Amino acid sequence: SQTIHQWPATLVQPVGSPLSLECTVEGTSNPNLYWYRQAAGRGLQLLFYSVGIGQISSEVPQNLSASRPQDRQFILSSKKLLLSDSGFYLCAWSVPAGTLHFGNGTRLTVT
Amino acid sequence: AQSVTQPDIHITVSEGASLELRCNYSYGATPYLFWYVQSPGQGLQLLLKYFSGDTLVQGIKGFEAEFKRSQSSFNLRKPSVHWSDAAEYFCAVGARNYGQNFVFGPGTRLSVLP
Repeated sequence: SQTIHQWPATLVQPVGSPLSLECTVEGTSNPNLYWYRQAAGRGLQLLFYSVGIGQISSEVPQNLSASRPQDRQFILSSKKLLLSDSGFYLCAWSVPAGTLHFGNGTRLTVT
Repeated sequence: AQSVTQPDIHITVSEGASLELRCNYSYGATPYLFWYVQSPGQGLQLLLKYFSGDTLVQGIKGFEAEFKRSQSSFNLRKPSVHWSDAAEYFCAVGARNYGQNFVFGPGTRLSVLP
């Protein structure tokens, strides 16, 4: 069966520090991969999605970037965090024209 | 591009009462439709989905939803709410193309009174 792993679960970082959140999927090949952000009390905002290695689509201009170095690995990064980057970050995967499956999320607090 | 609205930000119901959460979408073709539930601090769990066929779909935890093309709606229902159903509920639309993009509604927070 397919599983998705996302880490860390929680992270507290100072303003201006770098960020790296990692997500891996097991049990499937060539999945579509997604990063969503959920600000406190708000809905989900799609940040990036990828249909293959090295193929990243950015939905919202921002301080973040994403990379897909391997088929089932998706990384969310920032060179310098802003206070506004605080939120709940969710990684997800799907097969083309399939259901979206979520990881357990990372709670990021920028201080 | 597709969009999703959930008119109710917060709904409170008594335990044992029936529930209906509203969802309206905008999409140029027949979409994929989903309902997800999120408990505090957790990821999203799929409740049910509509891809094609029977417009009344059954999901987990006793939930069902009905796709009404004429109304562009996909409302979620449950005949008798349990206290454990208190959570955030999200409706989502998926585009039917290879580079699939999912769009989520703003969510409806459900509170359940004992």
